[in-house]
Formats: sequence, C-alpha cells, structure tokens
Amino acid sequence: AQSVTQLDSHVSVSEGTPVLLRCNYSSSYSPSLFWYVQHPNKGLQLLLKYTSAATLVKGINGFEAEFKKSETSFHLTKPSAHMSDAAEYFCVVSDGSGTYKYIFGTGTRLKVLA
Amino acid sequence: DTGVSQDPRHKITKRGQNVTFRCDPISEHNRLYWYRQTLGQGPEFLTYFQNEAQLEKSRLLSDRFSAERPKGSFSTLEIQRTEQGDSAMYLCASSPLEGGKEKLFFGSGTQLSVL
Repeated sequence: AQSVTQLDSHVSVSEGTPVLLRCNYSSSYSPSLFWYVQHPNKGLQLLLKYTSAATLVKGINGFEAEFKKSETSFHLTKPSAHMSDAAEYFCVVSDGSGTYKYIFGTGTRLKVLA
Repeated sequence: DTGVSQDPRHKITKRGQNVTFRCDPISEHNRLYWYRQTLGQGPEFLTYFQNEAQLEKSRLLSDRFSAERPKGSFSTLEIQRTEQGDSAMYLCASSPLEGGKEKLFFGSGTQLSVL
C-alpha cells in the first residue's frame, strides 16, 4: 500500500527567501507523485505532477519538485517566496499499481512573513 | 469545461438524520472520487468510481456511507444516521482516464455540520 509523509506541519519563511516543503513516500510500484495547494476558503489546485519522465518537475507559480527514488522523496521548492504563496500544501501519491487511488499527506502550512 | 460541481455547498443537520450530497464531474472524465477533509488534515480517501463501477472503498468507511454513480456521470454520497464525527468537508474530484493525463480536479466541496 502506498503512503506519504510530510515532514513539517508548519513552515515559515520570509518573503523573497527560498521555500522547501518536504515529502517522503512509500510505494510498492512506480508511483505518480503530485503537489496540490489549498488557499484559505479555496479549492485544491494542482501545482505539479511526476510520472516517471524527468525527475525534476516544474509546476505553476515558480514551484518545482525533484523525484529522488533512492531517498523516496519528492520535496517541493521555490527560489523566492511571495506573500501569495501562503497556503496549505499537500503531497499526494498514486502507487502505479493500476488502482488509481490517490493518497494525501497531512499537509504543510506555509506562512510567508513580510 | 465547467469544472467539478458539488451541491449543496453547506449542509447543517441534526444527529441521526440522513444526508445526500451530489457531485457533477467534468463531463469527459471517467473517474470520480470522494474524499473527506477535517480541519488541519489532508483529504482522506473514501471511494472512487470508474464510469459506473465503484472500484474501491476505504476500509475505514462506515457502512452508514454509500456512494453511487448510476449512469457514469454524476455521483451521490449518502450518509445515514449522521453522527457528530461525520462533520467535515466532503470533496469530490474527477480525473480523465487517458494514460499520462491522470490527475485530480476538485470541486469546492460540501461542508457538513452535524449538530
């Protein structure tokens, strides 16, 4: 069975500094991995997706994530945080077994300080 | 593409009552998912359909919960004899079937409050 662990429940950064949100996954197959963002009182929006092509995935709003199989990690980064990045971020795994069930992590709340 | 639509947006009910939620997926999407999200937690998988077939249901899901997708288009989620612990945001998502294009498109959710 697949699972995903988000290592930080809260992350605070200053505006203009780099963002790192950490995610580790467990999967018996070749997983698909996603990052979703949820702004307050808004729906979940896809940031980026990895599906066994390039290990460095670029998403919307300057975010990117790197798939590292040896570390079973899929950390989300952004070179320079903006105030509008403040939101809840979820790492998601679909284990590639053909069941197409998507499992969400518990989320990381990103706070951006002026 | 009008997006995933959920109805109602909010539902307040008394403990013991039955409630039903509706989800209309993006029209060409074959897969439809139901999730539940409580405050401070990630969405929890409940069940999913491919066309009209319910392919998987969470083992954590009580028998009071049932979902249908009778014609492979819209879906309903019913909760019988609601309990206060059922209070949550119920999210619906749909996904295309084509290889490589799978990803979840979410609706705005139905917020359930059980008094």
